[in-house]
Amino acid sequence: AQKITQTQPGMFVQEKEAVTLDCTYDTSDPSYGLFWYKQPSSGEMIFLIYQGSYDQQNATEGRYSLNFQKARKSANLVISASQLGDSAMYFCAMRPSGGGNYQLIWGAGTKLIIKP
Amino acid sequence: NAGVMQNPRHLVRRRGQEARLRCSPMKGHSHVYWYRQLPEEGLKFMVYLQKENIIDESGMPKERFSAEFPKEGPSILRIQQVVRGDSAAYFCASSPILKLTGAGEQYFGPGTRLTVT
Repeated sequence: AQKITQTQPGMFVQEKEAVTLDCTYDTSDPSYGLFWYKQPSSGEMIFLIYQGSYDQQNATEGRYSLNFQKARKSANLVISASQLGDSAMYFCAMRPSGGGNYQLIWGAGTKLIIKP
Repeated sequence: NAGVMQNPRHLVRRRGQEARLRCSPMKGHSHVYWYRQLPEEGLKFMVYLQKENIIDESGMPKERFSAEFPKEGPSILRIQQVVRGDSAAYFCASSPILKLTGAGEQYFGPGTRLTVT
């Protein structure tokens, strides 16, 4: 079964600290993509970062990096030097290559609150 | 180049009424996907459409829900005889091509928040 698990329903982090949001996935597809999205209180879905299953390097985008451990089937999001504006829901999602390679399968999300 | 547009942003319907949600994909995009987000949950795939064709509706409830993407105009997600359990955020995404590789090829709209009273 294709599944994304985010085990942290909520996190409080002090401003300027780094934060790691956990994501584990389950798929038997040999090829897949992993995504992280941010959903602020305004509700829109903002793409943050992508990791392909065959990518050799961990993805980075500014303050975001993805700690991809393929053998453990984990794709944790690391946010360095957190800011108050990082407070939001964060979703991990997977796009398996099977089934047409277009469906995104989503985790339940982690609510991140940055404390001043 | 405008992004994916959804309207209305908020919609309130009484039980038994119909809800129509509209999605205008990005310019040049001919593939549209609808997702539903129930409160406190992640998104769930509903349907994938190309112009004038439903490609995959495996995530759509069998009754009361329908979707279309006509040759001209926006994609419409229609919910007939709404019930309280239909209250959710409905997101539309669009892409320019079928075979998605890499990131950034499925662009999300701002969502429509449906409340059924």
